[in-house]
Amino acid sequence: GAVVSQHPSRVICKSGTSVKIECRSLDFQATTMFWYRQFPKQSLMLMATSNEGSKATYEQGVEKDKFLINHASLTLSTLTVTSAHPEDSSFYICARSGMNSNQPQHFGDGTRLSIL
Amino acid sequence: LAKTTQPISMDSYEGQEVNITCSHNNIATNDYITWYQQFPSQGPRFIIQGYKTKVTNEVASLFIPADRKSSTLSLPRVSLSDTAVYYCLVVPMNRDDKIIFGKGTRLHILP
Repeated sequence: GAVVSQHPSRVICKSGTSVKIECRSLDFQATTMFWYRQFPKQSLMLMATSNEGSKATYEQGVEKDKFLINHASLTLSTLTVTSAHPEDSSFYICARSGMNSNQPQHFGDGTRLSIL
Repeated sequence: LAKTTQPISMDSYEGQEVNITCSHNNIATNDYITWYQQFPSQGPRFIIQGYKTKVTNEVASLFIPADRKSSTLSLPRVSLSDTAVYYCLVVPMNRDDKIIFGKGTRLHILP
């Protein structure tokens, strides 16, 4: 069964709206989770690493004030796309780190964000 | 982070064995080789992972030569439902380290 739950699966909203996406680790307490973005026909691009109890680490070129990440508990990380615009429309996917070293990351089923 | 190179796309027929090869020339000693499958509008799904030699599970086999500079994912007797994008990743042993996705291989299974 699924070990990472992502919600909502799809969001359609107007430009200027802020959208929150939740990512839950269902099977163990994950101190580290990851957020990716994927445009059509392209690969996943890592946006940031979410660290429980501390600030997220953002990849180069990703605006931290635009994409707010909160990892307040060991099972929940949230990504908020603030003041979303059409160019933010994309497929957002979260993942949790492996349970032990050499264990693979497990991914959520993604959130399709469409900004009108 | 080690870079991976794999075919952009492949076609095969139902019932065939499909082998997808990935090169990772600068793989580090502590890196594992991991393959994911992704269907449209879904997150990647873990298929198989290995460090060296051969690994087999219920869905695939992974062949890794001694120098570990490449690996081959083998899918036995594919079906139409195996049409997907397959990503080869070199993953650090530290579970909290980030991983970087390459372009993947778009596999199309024909009837």
